[in-house]
Amino acid sequence: DAKTTQPNSMESNEEEPVHLPCNHSTISGTDYIHWYRQLPSQGPEYVIHGLTSNVNNRMASLAIAEDRKSSTLILHRATLRDAAVYYCILRGSGNQFYFGTGTSLTVIP
Amino acid sequence: EAGVVQSPRYKIIEKKQPVAFWCNPISGHNTLYWYLQNLGQGPELLIRYENEEAVDDSQLPKDRFSAERLKGVDSTLKIQPAELGDSAVYLCASSLDGLATGELFFGEGSRLTVL
Repeated sequence: DAKTTQPNSMESNEEEPVHLPCNHSTISGTDYIHWYRQLPSQGPEYVIHGLTSNVNNRMASLAIAEDRKSSTLILHRATLRDAAVYYCILRGSGNQFYFGTGTSLTVIP
Repeated sequence: EAGVVQSPRYKIIEKKQPVAFWCNPISGHNTLYWYLQNLGQGPELLIRYENEEAVDDSQLPKDRFSAERLKGVDSTLKIQPAELGDSAVYLCASSLDGLATGELFFGEGSRLTVL
């Protein structure tokens, strides 16, 4: 399985942008990059996904490097409700869906 | 529309006792996943179903864990006998199909404590 590497933790001030990095140097051409987040005592929830081009939705933006070996999840204005563990996952044609340990985001009021 | 429903939310048992968790996926979702999540760790896949067929159970400890998905809808995950190290949150997820673009929908999980 292609592996992802994320920082264990990050902090952000409330209402400031947050850039959560993810390295996936062994990504294959057919792997999609997915991001999920997990709030305390809840199951993970979908945030965004992409293949090659940058993606935007109501929750976040996903910036994908040109060589696809890294990506960045961007929260444009962090709120206290964004405090969660964020997982970067590669999903390929084999329908594998493996989580790493993720990045724990702390939002400071 | 109802999301993925899991029960029970919490279960406390003594070691060597059996336990079962139930999952009702989103209507129409043919792919169902069971994950185990230890404290401070990401979810780990136990088993994946496509309809009623278990297509990936390589991480399921088959000596004590079993799962079934009758009629390709609800699923049950069983542990018998439970060990202290089985204390964790058991998450169920479903998706409409197995495509790489598909979104997974998770339940709230079943927290197991083995004493």
